[in-house]
Amino acid sequence: AQKVTQAQTEISVVEKEDVTLDCVYETRDTTYYLFWYKQPPSGELVFLIRRNSFDEQNEISGRYSWNFQKSTSSFNFTITASQVVDSAVYFCALSEARWGGTGANNLFFGTGTRLTVIP
Amino acid sequence: SAVISQKPSRDICQRGTSLTIQCQVDSQVTMMFWYRQQPGQSLTLIATANQGSEATYESGFVIDKFPISRPNLTFSTLTVSNMSPEDSSIYLCSVGGTAQETQYFGPGTRLLVL
Repeated sequence: AQKVTQAQTEISVVEKEDVTLDCVYETRDTTYYLFWYKQPPSGELVFLIRRNSFDEQNEISGRYSWNFQKSTSSFNFTITASQVVDSAVYFCALSEARWGGTGANNLFFGTGTRLTVIP
Repeated sequence: SAVISQKPSRDICQRGTSLTIQCQVDSQVTMMFWYRQQPGQSLTLIATANQGSEATYESGFVIDKFPISRPNLTFSTLTVSNMSPEDSSIYLCSVGGTAQETQYFGPGTRLLVL
């Protein structure tokens, strides 16, 4: 069965500090996709990144970076030099193909990590 | 990515009434999804809505409580029927396709049931 664990429920950091949000997943599929979404206080869900199970290269986008390690089933997210605008709930999610890979996807979300950046 | 809008953005309803939430996409999409996010919780999939077929409901969600319409490839509605305070949540629609496609979400509908 699929599962996404975000053990950190809440994190507070002071502005300009680096912070890493942890995500551990479980799946029996060999092909799967991992996502990070940001949910600011306004409530909308903002897509940040998608990574497929065959691509373990780390990715950097500005102050954001992601570390995908299949050996430990982890897909961690680091924000460098955090800013107040980074304050939000961050969700890690897993997608598996259904019905032989041609059916609809279904995102399984972790419980989220609430990040507060203190000015 | 698709641009998704939802109406209403928020509402306060009385117990026992029903509310229909609309989801509009700016492009044709095969699959639309409805999620519920209870206060302080993660997102839970309610159902998958394909145009031209009955919605597929996840365990714990039934059509009588959450009827869904999908009349065309750009629009869907979710009705929350006979509401109780436990239905107070954010309801989000999303669009996507197969597993490798990213799901994009609408802005959500914040529902408070008194």
